[in-house]
Amino acid sequence: GAVVSQHPSWVICKSGTSVKIECRSLDFQATTMFWYRQFPKQSLMLMATSNEGSKATYEQGVEKDKFLINHASLTLSTLTVTSAHPEDSSFYICSASTGLAGGRGTDTQYFGPGTRLTVL
Amino acid sequence: QKEVEQDPGPLSVPEGAIVSLNCTYSNSAFQYFMWYRQYSRKGPELLMYTYSSGNKEDGRFTAQVDKSSKYISLFIRDSQPSDSATYLCAMKNTNAGKSTFGDGTTLTVKP
Repeated sequence: GAVVSQHPSWVICKSGTSVKIECRSLDFQATTMFWYRQFPKQSLMLMATSNEGSKATYEQGVEKDKFLINHASLTLSTLTVTSAHPEDSSFYICSASTGLAGGRGTDTQYFGPGTRLTVL
Repeated sequence: QKEVEQDPGPLSVPEGAIVSLNCTYSNSAFQYFMWYRQYSRKGPELLMYTYSSGNKEDGRFTAQVDKSSKYISLFIRDSQPSDSATYLCAMKNTNAGKSTFGDGTTLTVKP
């Protein structure tokens, strides 16, 4: 099956610093990657959709200057939380889409294991 | 009103029980329907993917879609303690597009 990895799995940082989270599709090429945020016992909140080689599309209410997304290749997307504050503490999850060329005739999203960010 | 409403739970059942998880939606353009399972502190894992109305079975799991009622269900037969997780329904308009998720139902299967 398709595997998506995230790194780091857990990070603690001081307020005001920036944190970069990597999302990789390990055994397939992902034309589209999604970034989500999830608070405890709540559902996934889509932050942005990124397509390889183009600018990310952010959901309403998500600050694009604070959450920088780069999708440099078909297997790697990064989310940088700039000048992090305690309210940015959350579980960040990426997913990668196989696209219609995934061989199943359907476009399937596979999720990474998530990154837990704690900002002190 | 949310586009996707999911029975909030939590749900607690004895081992071996049949579990029914449900979502309703308001957007009639949704055509693709998914169920994900998420263990605590992990990313969601795709369980079932169905297109349009009908049933789809995979082992102990059956996904049911009724587009006329805008209602989808996931049935788990012979539930096991390892099925204890949060289940998320998701749906989308087009094959290659972003999904809209329900809030999740937390299931506990007691041995």
